[in-house]
Amino acid sequence: DAGVTQSPTHLIKTRGQQVTLRCSPISGHKSVSWYQQVLGQGPQFIFQYYEKEERGRGNFPDRFSARQFPNYSSELNVNALLLGDSALYLCASSYSTGTLSNEQFFGPGTRLTVL
Amino acid sequence: EDQVTQSPEALRLQEGESSSLNCSYTVSGLRGLFWYRQDPGKGPEFLFTLYSAGEEKEKERLKATLTKKESFLHITAPKPEDSATYLCAVHRWATGTASKLTFGTGTRLQVTL
Repeated sequence: DAGVTQSPTHLIKTRGQQVTLRCSPISGHKSVSWYQQVLGQGPQFIFQYYEKEERGRGNFPDRFSARQFPNYSSELNVNALLLGDSALYLCASSYSTGTLSNEQFFGPGTRLTVL
Repeated sequence: EDQVTQSPEALRLQEGESSSLNCSYTVSGLRGLFWYRQDPGKGPEFLFTLYSAGEEKEKERLKATLTKKESFLHITAPKPEDSATYLCAVHRWATGTASKLTFGTGTRLQVTL
């Protein structure tokens, strides 16, 4: 079975630009979460979507937005990029938000570099 | 606010030299504690979920345990391929349905021959 896939793998942007990252969850999983991981730190929660609705938002500015499509894939958008947005962006999928286990499986990530 | 502290930050072991990684947490109403392995530039790989104090889980050379305040990841007779960053994360019960994981900063493990 295919795991979580993310695209693109790497991305280089300049300050002020906008970027869109994409994620496809594991087949059968309905929930997608986005995390930002700065070098040397643990992942930080950005958003969670379940059944196309936002179910949680972390402490990130409004420049960050996301959506989930009917096929459960998801996009993360970041506007007005800052140097500090350079990070590994991770997508995680889980079956739902309400199950006890809620095990989240991560994709390989998108490495974003802002110059 | 949920807090997760991992120690040590870095650990260097010789092949076969067993040791333990620590994850201390502060969370009101633990729903689950997760261990992940992360190789450089890659996404975290799921290892274990622990739900209640006293629970233990094993996978190959790894064994995870949980108390009310901390979790340990025991590595028995490690091999060089066990070299990675090991991340601990907590998930707490909360109103609403967000399933946010709060991660520690990880322990970088290097296993040498």
